[in-house]
Amino acid sequence: GAVVSQHPSRVICKSGTSVKIECRSLDFQATTMFWYRQFPKQSLMLMATSNEGSKATYEQGVEKDKFLINHASLTLSTLTVTSAHPEDSSFYICSAFGRGSTDTQYFGPGTRLTVL
Amino acid sequence: AQSVTQLGSHVSVSEGALVLLRCNYSSSVPPYLFWYVQYPNQGLQLLLKYTSAATLVKGINGFEAEFKKSETSFHLTKPSAHMSDAAEYFCAVSASGGYSTLTFGKGTMLLVSP
Repeated sequence: GAVVSQHPSRVICKSGTSVKIECRSLDFQATTMFWYRQFPKQSLMLMATSNEGSKATYEQGVEKDKFLINHASLTLSTLTVTSAHPEDSSFYICSAFGRGSTDTQYFGPGTRLTVL
Repeated sequence: AQSVTQLGSHVSVSEGALVLLRCNYSSSVPPYLFWYVQYPNQGLQLLLKYTSAATLVKGINGFEAEFKKSETSFHLTKPSAHMSDAAEYFCAVSASGGYSTLTFGKGTMLLVSP
């Protein structure tokens, strides 16, 4: 099946710093990648959708200047949390869809961000 | 617009018992429906999906789900629960397949006791 990886799996940073999370499709070309945020014991909330080579489309209420998304290639998308604050602490999950993913979004293992 | 309602935030079963996790959806177009499982601190794994073909869909790990248009339901079942099935289960709907936005339910935690 299609495999999506995320790096890092866990990151702790100080308030005010920026953190970059990578999402890679390992065995298919991801024309579209999605970024989700999940709070403890809650469902996934879509943050943004990115198509390769285009600007990301952000959901209402998501600050695009704070959560920078880049989808520069068919196998890599990055989410950068800029000037992170403790309230940004969360579990961030990406998913990918594209050629070879059989009409299904495949999810990465997630990144646990803790901002001190 | 689409939405998903999962009845029961927690479901408890004994090992070997039937598993039934309920999902009702709302969609203005013919839906694509998915069930995902999430183990602690991990991403989501696809269990099965309905994409307008057979209404009874078989997935991995012995799970299956039946699409019932008249009831707008897509309940997940497994005849015999294993301890390893204990996890969070999410039902999701999209308008047109994997490239469109998924709308998730709030999830159901399945607890399996010996």
